[in-house]
Amino acid sequence: DAGVIQSPRHEVTEMGQEVTLRCKPISGHNSLFWYRQTMMRGLELLIYFNNNVPIDDSGMPEDRFSAKMPNASFSTLKIQPSEPRDSAVYFCASSLEMNTEAFFGQGTRLTVV
Amino acid sequence: GQNIDQPTEMTATEGAIVQINCTYQTSGFNGLFWYQQHAGEAPTFLSYNVLDGLEEKGRFSSFLSRSKGYSYLLLKELQMKDSASYLCAVLGTGGSYIPTFGRGTSLIVHP
Repeated sequence: DAGVIQSPRHEVTEMGQEVTLRCKPISGHNSLFWYRQTMMRGLELLIYFNNNVPIDDSGMPEDRFSAKMPNASFSTLKIQPSEPRDSAVYFCASSLEMNTEAFFGQGTRLTVV
Repeated sequence: GQNIDQPTEMTATEGAIVQINCTYQTSGFNGLFWYQQHAGEAPTFLSYNVLDGLEEKGRFSSFLSRSKGYSYLLLKELQMKDSASYLCAVLGTGGSYIPTFGRGTSLIVHP
């Protein structure tokens, strides 16, 4: 398996624009996580899916953020409208079960100017 | 909520042994992970502890004491390539298994 695949790897956008981050988890993994990492706050869990169903989205900063998982092989994280404070590295990770190790994608480095 | 504490930074010499501590306060516990993250890269899994005691895997070992809310990662025979951030993550309460990460410990290995 190629591992968790995220796209794009880098994204630079202007404030107010919509940003969509994409993730393909490892085939057969039942859990999918979206994280945000910054120097100030470290690695923060945004949302967590199990069997394509959102289990906990309490980490989603505000209504500008939304995530979907329409099927077992694809998830998106959308920010609309984007703001400079959203600049961070966004990681997607998947795991076989809820209590097994997570495999991380290479991340999307988002810069909002 | 969950509170996880790790030292921010540590330095050590090539060939030496280093212990990175992690303390946590949670309302429930379903296991603890250690991940390694090199600069500019994604975190990668190192170890998982759910029962008390020491888990050894090559040069790396991880210890857990649930009663003390304490874990450590032990790195032996340090190599330059071990310079990285080490993240402690605790699995949350009940059946949710929500993982919470500590801020990470940046380890610098010098010759």
